[in-house]
Amino acid sequence: DSGVTQTPKHLITATGQRVTLRCSPRSGDLSVYWYQQSLDQGLQFLIHYYNGEERAKGNILERFSAQQFPDLHSELNLSSLELGDSALYFCASTAGLTGQHTGELFFGEGSRLTVL
Amino acid sequence: GENVEQHPSTLSVQEGDSAVIKCTYSDSASNYFPWYKQELGKRPQLIIDIRSNVGEKKDQRIAVTLNKTAKHFSLHITETQPEDSAVYFCAASIRGSQGNLIFGKGTKLSVKP
Repeated sequence: DSGVTQTPKHLITATGQRVTLRCSPRSGDLSVYWYQQSLDQGLQFLIHYYNGEERAKGNILERFSAQQFPDLHSELNLSSLELGDSALYFCASTAGLTGQHTGELFFGEGSRLTVL
Repeated sequence: GENVEQHPSTLSVQEGDSAVIKCTYSDSASNYFPWYKQELGKRPQLIIDIRSNVGEKKDQRIAVTLNKTAKHFSLHITETQPEDSAVYFCAASIRGSQGNLIFGKGTKLSVKP
């Protein structure tokens, strides 16, 4: 158990819909990262939040947005869903209260999104 | 933009043989290079990492080498076992930050008993 909790584990929805994925980082971790894993694309970095602030953006579509709340949990919002958005979405956390980046990312179990 | 190339995409070895996976990266500011193992249906987990001030690091049967000049790093697994079968991802830090990683596309390693 990595200590990172993601919900829901599975989600099936239709094209055009909007979903929210939730992530609770390890206790004390200030950084939350979101990654998308599709069959042939490996792990694609989407966005990074540190202590409530957006720190870096990767290949995140404009239809996607994220935020990190004061209690450090994060949500990834996916809207106007398309078939190609079907993927496994991972949240990962790192960095303790001192803000030191240990390097290791602790991944949650992922949220599998299926868009029909 | 930043990129990490990983080869091969699939690798099949006999139990007891060695396995080597190679990666190249494009961002000269990268200073942290982890390797993650992802078993089927599971989350990626860190197995070994190396920082740019080190050329080689070993942990029991796994080792990683780094050539910063060539922007190349490799994972070596010796005496492979069936439980080593998984997808392995290399990664490189981007914009000098250890936490922001760009991943290779993965290598599916199969170890045949």
